[in-house]
Amino acid sequence: KAGVTQTPRYLIKTRGQQVTLSCSPISGHRSVSWYQQTPGQGLQFLFEYFSETQRNKGNFPGRFSGRQFSNSRSEMNVSTLELGDSALYLCASSPYGLWDNEQFFGPGTRLTVL
Amino acid sequence: AQTVTQSQPEMSVQEAETVTLSCTYDTSENNYYLFWYKQPPSRQMILVIRQEAYKQQNATENRFSVNFQKAAKSFSLKISDSQLGDTAMYFCAFMKANTNAGKSTFGDGTTLTVKP
Repeated sequence: KAGVTQTPRYLIKTRGQQVTLSCSPISGHRSVSWYQQTPGQGLQFLFEYFSETQRNKGNFPGRFSGRQFSNSRSEMNVSTLELGDSALYLCASSPYGLWDNEQFFGPGTRLTVL
Repeated sequence: AQTVTQSQPEMSVQEAETVTLSCTYDTSENNYYLFWYKQPPSRQMILVIRQEAYKQQNATENRFSVNFQKAAKSFSLKISDSQLGDTAMYFCAFMKANTNAGKSTFGDGTTLTVKP
């Protein structure tokens, strides 16, 4: 099976712009979760999608949004970018949810906001 | 709100020796999951091991095992016969076991270096 893929791998944006990141889960996996990783705040849960519905959401402002398509691919969008949004954004997929013993992460998208 | 604490920012161990990484958590929940994740330098995060809180038996995956003490809210990871490839940052994570079980809380991580 192909692993979890994330595109793009690297992205540079300026403050005020918006960005869309993509995550393709492992075939057959219906749960996709997103995380933000920064040196200062560590790893933080953004949201989880399951069968095209947002099932869980972390404590992030409304500028962070996402969606999931019928093929389980997921996108996350950040609008009105701030310097503090610079981070590694990880996605993970699992068959039913991240309590599964079967969880796989993508390589991440490194976002730099200038 | 749940909190996860990893009190050892950095650790090192000699190859082939055993090392234990500590994790404590705070929750009022009775049913939950605990995880250890491994993030090697410049490589993808990997799930190392999972513990279901309702199970008293400690989880084991090859050289990796946990010591789960529910009353003490402690969840340590033991790596036996350490290998150079174990060098990574290790994250402990907590997740409630209910319909909101996709929402994880992570510790700050422990950077483990295995020395030859």
